Formats: sequence, C-alpha cells, structure tokens
Amino acid sequence: QKEVEQNSGPLSVPEGAIASLNCTYSDRVSQSFFWYRQYSGKSPELIMSIYSNGDKEDGRFTAQLNKASQYVSLLIRDSQPSDSATYLCAVNRGNYGGSQGNLIFGKGTKLSVKP
Amino acid sequence: DAGVTQSPTHLIKTRGQHVTLRCSPISGHKSVSWYQQVLGQGPQFIFQYYEKEERGRGNFPDRFSARQFPNYSSELNVNALLLGDSALYLCASSLHLGAQETQYFGPGTRLLVL
Repeated sequence: QKEVEQNSGPLSVPEGAIASLNCTYSDRVSQSFFWYRQYSGKSPELIMSIYSNGDKEDGRFTAQLNKASQYVSLLIRDSQPSDSATYLCAVNRGNYGGSQGNLIFGKGTKLSVKP
Repeated sequence: DAGVTQSPTHLIKTRGQHVTLRCSPISGHKSVSWYQQVLGQGPQFIFQYYEKEERGRGNFPDRFSARQFPNYSSELNVNALLLGDSALYLCASSLHLGAQETQYFGPGTRLLVL
C-alpha cells in the first residue's frame, strides 16, 4: 500500500462547478497535510495546509481532514480554467522514524476545467 | 521578497558524469530540503538540512549527497549519473523544522541524462 494515494485522473469539470480532489494516507502518525498545485513544467505551489480534523476554508478552496478515516480532500468552488493543473497531496509525519518532517507526496490528480 | 532560487534551470549530462545543483532559500529560512520528481510522479524526498546538519535522508543511493552552507544555501551532488536520474530536482525551504512548517518550492532544475 502506497503511503499517499490519489486518483491520477484526469478529473474533468465544467467551468463554475465544484471540483473534488481526494487523498488517502496509510500512516496514522501523520501530523500535517498539504495541498500543492503544479502547473505543467512548473514547481509545486502551496494551496492549503490543514492540521486538525474538520474543514478549513480559504477563498474558493476548502480542505477537509478526517484522521480516523485517514482521508483528506480539497474542494474547489466555482472552478475556473486557470485551475487546470495537477494537485498534489502531501503528508508530513513530523519527527517520526528519524525523519525531521519531510513531505511524502501522492502522484497527483490532474484537473481539467472546461470553459 | 525573493523566493527560493535554484541554478541552473536546465542541465544536460551524459551517463557517468557528475552534477552539482544549487539552491538559495527564502531569506531567513534555515531548513532546505531536496526532492526528485520524475515525469508523472509526485516529488520524492532526498535530503533535508537544518542549520548545516543533515536531518533527514530519503531512499536514494550514496551517489546522492548534499550539504548546507553557513548562509543556509545548499548544494545537491549526484555522482556517476544514470539515465534514471533524469528528473526535475526541487529545492524547498522552510523557516524551521517541524511537522507544521510550510515548505516553499523553488522553480527546480531540470536534469536530462543522455
């Protein structure tokens, strides 16, 4: 079982719709969770971070975390063509197993927003 | 404020050669991490440095090494390059270590090994 799993997509939604991106992780000691957006040929850009169970909203973005289910999601409301990118879910296990908090990434979900 | 900077932006090498990649963190950031991203995959952790000391190492062979300088900039060295080393190499910086520290990525160095 991979440590961080995402549906690779592509996920296609019409402009103005809600895009729902999902991520599961295998290690219960995971402490922090991040969503990065990566445009083709570019580096990852932080969208949201979430550390405790529940929802966290920032503009059109909402991150949801359920540690019991080991599940984190990202909702994008009023999707725009400029949101078309690969969305990477990343997990930080903190100081566990000798690590000082490196990020473990999923493969990413490719989102396409159609005008 | 300047973000994370990396040099060079692109690099072409042949098998067996050596390469050095450079990274300057955001001003004030003391932690630098290196990641390798091959096409179609998420970034994979290589090293993390904090205050010039190695604080984490991913599952990469000994051909990969790194160091951090007193000004917190960092170098990643790869010896005896293989075709499979072709990837985007990303540097990320954070203020400190810790699970809730946000890591900010540089633009990356795209390495092609022929």
